Amino acid sequence: DAMVIQNPRYQVTQFGKPVTLSCSQTLNHNVMYWYQQKSSQAPKLLFHYYDKDFNNEADTPDNFQSRRPNTSFCFLDIRSPGLGDAAMYLCATSRDLAEAFFGQGTRLTVV
Amino acid sequence: AQSVSQHNHHVILSEAASLELGCNYSYGGTVNLFWYVQYPGQHLQLLLKYFSGDPLVKGIKGFEAEFIKSKFSFNLRKPSVQWSDTAEYFCAPTSGTYKYIFGTGTRLKVLA
Repeated sequence: DAMVIQNPRYQVTQFGKPVTLSCSQTLNHNVMYWYQQKSSQAPKLLFHYYDKDFNNEADTPDNFQSRRPNTSFCFLDIRSPGLGDAAMYLCATSRDLAEAFFGQGTRLTVV
Repeated sequence: AQSVSQHNHHVILSEAASLELGCNYSYGGTVNLFWYVQYPGQHLQLLLKYFSGDPLVKGIKGFEAEFIKSKFSFNLRKPSVQWSDTAEYFCAPTSGTYKYIFGTGTRLKVLA
């Protein structure tokens, strides 16, 4: 059974049109992460939540925002997607510093 | 700043060859160490992990890794690779900041 679920699996959005990606988990993990992975590159951490505490990476563009309304759900909002934001977006969860569990990812295409 | 270095970006091996992938990290203090694997078209999966204790850890599918604290290294090994090991491998140490920073990855291709 999937434990970290990302929706949708594929998202096509127009240049500049806000888009939201969602992630849910059934593991009751306290930490949730959003990563951006471009082709042939390592996943790049955008931000993470430790419980309700939001932690932004210094080089994450302001265009990217996140919300975590409760333990189970986390959203990634891209306010004005550019062509350079086309990528695979990965959600992950962990219980403190134990292993991270990843979702299948959402592939974002910007047209 | 925290950083992770994986020395081999592309590795091509024949089946039954031995594998060693290097990983070095820059931060001190207590770290938890992970190797993740991403098979073609699939999501990242845990291969093995080290928290404490015996520095030689065994993971799934015959993989093992050795933590050498003095060298800040956590190298991945497998004595005999199979075609099904074709994948991308990522080293991901963590520290007390509750985040996993991935290395650049090593793309392994095993020839049948």
